[in-house]
Amino acid sequence: AQTVTQSQPEMSVQEAETVTLSCTYDTSESNYYLFWYKQPPSRQMILVIRQEAYKQQNATENRFSVNFQKAAKSFSLKISDSQLGDTAMYFCALGAQKLVFGQGTRLTINP
Amino acid sequence: GAGVSQSPRYKVAKRGQDVALRCDPISGHVSLFWYQQALGQGPEFLTYFQNEAQLDKSGLPSDRFFAERPEGSVSTLKIQRTQQEDSAVYLCASSLQTLSSYNSPLHFGNGTRLTVT
Repeated sequence: AQTVTQSQPEMSVQEAETVTLSCTYDTSESNYYLFWYKQPPSRQMILVIRQEAYKQQNATENRFSVNFQKAAKSFSLKISDSQLGDTAMYFCALGAQKLVFGQGTRLTINP
Repeated sequence: GAGVSQSPRYKVAKRGQDVALRCDPISGHVSLFWYQQALGQGPEFLTYFQNEAQLDKSGLPSDRFFAERPEGSVSTLKIQRTQQEDSAVYLCASSLQTLSSYNSPLHFGNGTRLTVT
C-alpha cells in the first residue's frame, strides 16, 4: 500500500520569509510522481509543483522548489519570499492520477 | 468549459435521505475521478471512470455509494440513505488522458460540501 505522511499540521511564518513543508511517503512502485497541491478556502485543489521519481533534479516553479530524497522517501516543499496569498492548506500526494494524499499542513503567512 | 464544475456547492441532507452530486469535467477529458475529503483530512480516492466505463470503484466506502458517467462526460455521485459519517467535501477531478498516463495532470473542481444532520 502507498502512504503519505505530513508531520506538520500547522505552520506560520512572516511575509517574505522562507518556509519548508515536510512530506514522507512509502511505495513499492518504481515509477511514480510526487505532487504538492494547494487548497485555499475555495476548496479547489491547485497543483503547485510535481516531481517525477526517476528524475534526479529537483523540480522548481518560480518561488516553489522541492527537495526530493528518493532513498529516504522524502519530498519537502520550500516556499521562498512567502506572500499573503500563499496562505492555504498544502497537501503532498503520491501517484499518477489516482493519488494518495497526506493529511495536509495549514500554512499561514502573516503580514 | 474553463474548468471542472461541481454542483451543488453545498448540500444539507437529513440522515436517511438520498443525495446526488454532479460533476461537469473539462470537455474532452477522458478520465474522471471522485475523491472524498473529510474535515481536516486529505482527499481519499473513491472511484475512477475512463470515458463511460467505471474501471475502479475500490474506494467507495459502502454499497450506499454509487457513481455513473453514462455518456462519458457528466458524472453523478449518488449516496443513498445518508449517514452522519458521509459528511465531507466531495471533489471531482478530470484528466485529458487515461490513468496510465503520467504526463496528464488532474484538474479539480471546487467540490460539494455535504452535511448530514
